[in-house]
Amino acid sequence: NAGVTQTPKFQVLKTGQSMTLQCAQDMNHNSMYWYRQDPGMGLRLIYYSASEGTTDKGEVPNGYNVSRLNKREFSLRLESAAPSQTSVYFCASRTSLGGYGYTFGSGTRLTVV
Amino acid sequence: TQLLEQSPQFLSIQEGENLTVYCNSSSVFSSLQWYRQEPGEGPVLLVTVVTGGEVKKLKRLTFQFGDARKDSSLHITAAQPGDTGLYLCAGAGNNDMRFGAGTRLTVKP
Repeated sequence: NAGVTQTPKFQVLKTGQSMTLQCAQDMNHNSMYWYRQDPGMGLRLIYYSASEGTTDKGEVPNGYNVSRLNKREFSLRLESAAPSQTSVYFCASRTSLGGYGYTFGSGTRLTVV
Repeated sequence: TQLLEQSPQFLSIQEGENLTVYCNSSSVFSSLQWYRQEPGEGPVLLVTVVTGGEVKKLKRLTFQFGDARKDSSLHITAAQPGDTGLYLCAGAGNNDMRFGAGTRLTVKP
């Protein structure tokens, strides 16, 4: 089915470990986003990529890095995981920066112990 | 402090009842979106409103954008258990959408 695919769905890390969350979309969308969702705080933007080859910081970028590998793929890396990064991470895409309507992946539930 | 305040935070009602949830901000938005999120899944877009005062209907759901484009409401008529979920509003920022914390709705059969 067309859409946004995230891997893995679940992950447990120890403090200080690193990992990369993968995201791919097959809708030929230009813009891609990484959000984190925490109870009572809604979705907060970590990083976004308006188009292939560009990335920009969002509201909560500290502790994360991203790579827009090509038009389809946008990965999120945690270099040294901290308990504060325990969250559910969502990747999303849309047709253009000013376009309406995100398509979201089903999320990655990350626990850092 | 949330840019978008949603109320109520939690709502539990019986099947067949009507309800309204609210999304308020001190900021003006060029557009506002409503999403529904089910457990273990990402949010799914329900509607986008653009014009102040605009009303859109999606079956039993009615969405309204405030005249000043700072607030919005979602009204559900004759709620059904399938309406259960987290309802999120999102306002268009400069480069992205800013989300409220959501209203968690439970409709009991």
